[in-house]
Amino acid sequence: GQNIDQPTEMTATEGAIVQINCTYQTSGFNGLFWYQQHAGEAPTFLSYNVLDGLEEKGRFSSFLSRSKGYSYLLLKELQMKDSASYLCAVRDGDYKLSFGAGTTVTVRA
Amino acid sequence: DTAVSQTPKYLVTQMGNDKSIKCEQNLGHDTMYWYKQDSKKFLKIMFSYNNKELIINETVPNRFSPKSPDKAHLNLHINSLELGDSAVYFCASSQDVSGGGANVLTFGAGSRLTVL
Repeated sequence: GQNIDQPTEMTATEGAIVQINCTYQTSGFNGLFWYQQHAGEAPTFLSYNVLDGLEEKGRFSSFLSRSKGYSYLLLKELQMKDSASYLCAVRDGDYKLSFGAGTTVTVRA
Repeated sequence: DTAVSQTPKYLVTQMGNDKSIKCEQNLGHDTMYWYKQDSKKFLKIMFSYNNKELIINETVPNRFSPKSPDKAHLNLHINSLELGDSAVYFCASSQDVSGGGANVLTFGAGSRLTVL
């Protein structure tokens, strides 16, 4: 099975930067995903990493180190609408996608 | 036009009843999934079908029975509902189950099941 750990909650101020860490242990590895989920809504895809390094997409970036079983999601220039839960998910050797418990980010004015 | 649609959005029922949740995707994807999200927001996979064939069946009570009449539909039937079945059930689809590329999951809006 998978073991995916991420912090439960984080709070930051509008305009600031927040980094959400995710560590994982899996049987094989076929990619790491970050999803955003607003309260009462479906998760939506943010980023995908399969090779080591940083992937940048506008205000959001995601980093992966496969040897360390580690990823982070970086949210820059935080906006109130970024208040949501951020889910780290890992696809294992059997291509099964498992999710962490999610990190609730609260953006304050 | 909604990519992954599931019905009903809300379902309130008594313990012991049988209920179904339907899911349809119009993305032309080959693979569909059911995930359960409990009160702690933990999203856990239940089943996955690829082209109507069951490929993932996690440790789920056999009161839960998925059915895929075609690759665009994956329904979930639950018998003898229990209090612990209360959760939000998400349907999702992806292009396929393996292969190269991100193969991103697209989720439906969720079906909130409350068992009284």
